[in-house]
Amino acid sequence: QVQLVQSGAEVKKPGASVKVSCKASGYTFSTYAMHWVRQAPGQGLEWMGWISAGNVNTKYSQKFQGRVTISRDTSANTAYMELSSLRSEDTAVYYCARDGGGSSGYGHFDYWGQGTLVTVSS
Amino acid sequence: DIVMTQSPDSLAVSLGERATLNCKSSQSVLYSSNNKNYLGWYQQKPGQPPKLLIYWASTRESGVPDRFSGSGSGTDFTLTISSLQAEDVAVYYCQQYYSTPRTFGQGTKLEIK
Repeated sequence: QVQLVQSGAEVKKPGASVKVSCKASGYTFSTYAMHWVRQAPGQGLEWMGWISAGNVNTKYSQKFQGRVTISRDTSANTAYMELSSLRSEDTAVYYCARDGGGSSGYGHFDYWGQGTLVTVSS
Repeated sequence: DIVMTQSPDSLAVSLGERATLNCKSSQSVLYSSNNKNYLGWYQQKPGQPPKLLIYWASTRESGVPDRFSGSGSGTDFTLTISSLQAEDVAVYYCQQYYSTPRTFGQGTKLEIK
């Protein structure tokens, strides 16, 4: 069965960076795009960006451009999201989500990781 | 960016009654070359990640009870729960995957009356 298992909670100081991992199993990792979505406490879902199936393309929300880097290691079946220059407003749960459209990258989000809480506090 | 607007923000429905949730996109998410609406619905319960319910606006995800149905095309969409069960209490989000950035509605909180 498809599973996305994310790394554990993080506490960071303002200005620092955080890197969250998302390990996939139960499917051919290299043939599906992956997205990252975050959710601030008590708030809705916010799309951050995605990486294509073949690790060729990335696209980021304008809001995070310049601060976020999404990557993937096909040999480890793992995707990563790194966010830099953290501020208190970045405190949120961060999710990875598989793109159900396969390599096209234009599909619904059919599987989600369990979420990783990132707390930014001095 | 495509703006997704859900209504109402919250909804209270009696057990066994019908719940109707709406979602409107600021531009069409219907792709004419394949006649598919790039619209999904998700359910999120407290402390859990979102769960896909409906994709292509009306296709029920495997394992989702048939009391959940999706309809609509172009810019106006509806998620209907035909007979509300206690376990359906959650926040529901619509999302367009027609273009980047992918955008979500603000959510509709569904409660029991």
